[in-house]
Amino acid sequence: GQNIDQPTEMTATEGAIVQINCTYQTSGFNGLFWYQQHAGEAPTFLSYNVLDGLEEKGRFSSFLSRSKGYSYLLLKELQMKDSASYLCAVRAYNFNKFYFGSGTKLNVKP
Amino acid sequence: EAQVTQNPRYLITVTGKKLTVTCSQNMNHEYMSWYRQDPGLGLRQIYYSMNVEVTDKGDVPEGYKVSRKEKRNFPLILESPSPNQTSLYFCASGREGPTDTQYFGPGTRLTVL
Repeated sequence: GQNIDQPTEMTATEGAIVQINCTYQTSGFNGLFWYQQHAGEAPTFLSYNVLDGLEEKGRFSSFLSRSKGYSYLLLKELQMKDSASYLCAVRAYNFNKFYFGSGTKLNVKP
Repeated sequence: EAQVTQNPRYLITVTGKKLTVTCSQNMNHEYMSWYRQDPGLGLRQIYYSMNVEVTDKGDVPEGYKVSRKEKRNFPLILESPSPNQTSLYFCASGREGPTDTQYFGPGTRLTVL
């Protein structure tokens, strides 16, 4: 089976930096995805990691350590519009199955 | 505009009354998938399809059927809905490469009474 853990909820201040962690235990691994989901809307793609290290995309960065089964999403210069849930997802060994964590709800305060 | 569409967006039905939720994508994607999202449980994969006439079970397939007769369409069928299938359903599509992400439809909120 698969087990993907994320904190349930986090709060941060506008303009600050926040790190959302994701740990996973899977029988196979072919990449880790981060999605953003605003309340009542569909998830949208943020980033993808398959090799160890940091991937940077503007204000968002994602890190992966395969040996530790660990990833984080880093959001810089937080804006109010970043208030959303952030979903960590692992793509299984056969490329076809996806396993999602339960999501981290981020509240950005003025 | 590249998109994934789902219909209906909202549905209230009764136990045992067969229903179909349609999903269509205009991006010529090979891969399509259905998920349900429940509070505290996150997104769980129901079924997926790698191409026309190729479908396979995800994590929670019980009580659901799918078909993939055309590349663009991937309907989700509930033959005999039950209250535990009350959920928010998302269809998604993507290219078949391992680095390719999925693009999600707007969601269908289903209530089974």
